[in-house]
Amino acid sequence: DAGVIQSPRHEVTEMGQEVTLRCKPISGHNSLFWYRQTMMRGLELLIYFNNNVPIDDSGMPEDRFSAKMPNASFSTLKIQPSEPRDSAVYFCASSLGAGGTDTQYFGPGTRLTVL
Amino acid sequence: LAKTTQPISMDSYEGQEVNITCSHNNIATNDYITWYQQFPSQGPRFIIQGYKTKVTNEVASLFIPADRKSSTLSLPRVSLSDTAVYYCLVAPGERGNRLAFGKGNQVVVIP
Repeated sequence: DAGVIQSPRHEVTEMGQEVTLRCKPISGHNSLFWYRQTMMRGLELLIYFNNNVPIDDSGMPEDRFSAKMPNASFSTLKIQPSEPRDSAVYFCASSLGAGGTDTQYFGPGTRLTVL
Repeated sequence: LAKTTQPISMDSYEGQEVNITCSHNNIATNDYITWYQQFPSQGPRFIIQGYKTKVTNEVASLFIPADRKSSTLSLPRVSLSDTAVYYCLVAPGERGNRLAFGKGNQVVVIP
């Protein structure tokens, strides 16, 4: 099993540009999560999907952030326009179910730097 | 979500047993306790999960007292490669429950 795949691994962009992060969950998993990690705030949940449907997006910081899951094997997190304070490591995770006891499997993350 | 409290950081010498305690005073009846481990430049990974008493696997042991208001993750004979951030999480098993990772506990193993 390849695990959760994220791309790109590193992204450097300038303020105001659009950024798209991509995630391929583990095959057969029904839930997908997007997290953001910074030194100041730790690891925060942005949004999660169950069966391709967004269930909870209360962690999405503002309208500049959007996430989609067009099918069971692909999800995107988009930031438009990007700002320097969006610099962070973004993780995607997937799990079989959406319960608090379902093990989440994390991808390697995308390190985003906004200049 | 039940709030958890962990030390921010701790050091330990190689070969020692490391015990990391987490407080969760407002844990609910149907909440489970789960620990994740995050190595530098990697995403977190599941270590162990329990509801009460003691759970052991090939990586660690989890001790949960009868009142369940705290839990202790025990790592036997740590090595340098156990240097990581350890997260204690509490959540019910039902669908739709978020995991709150926060900042975790940075454990540094010293030679």
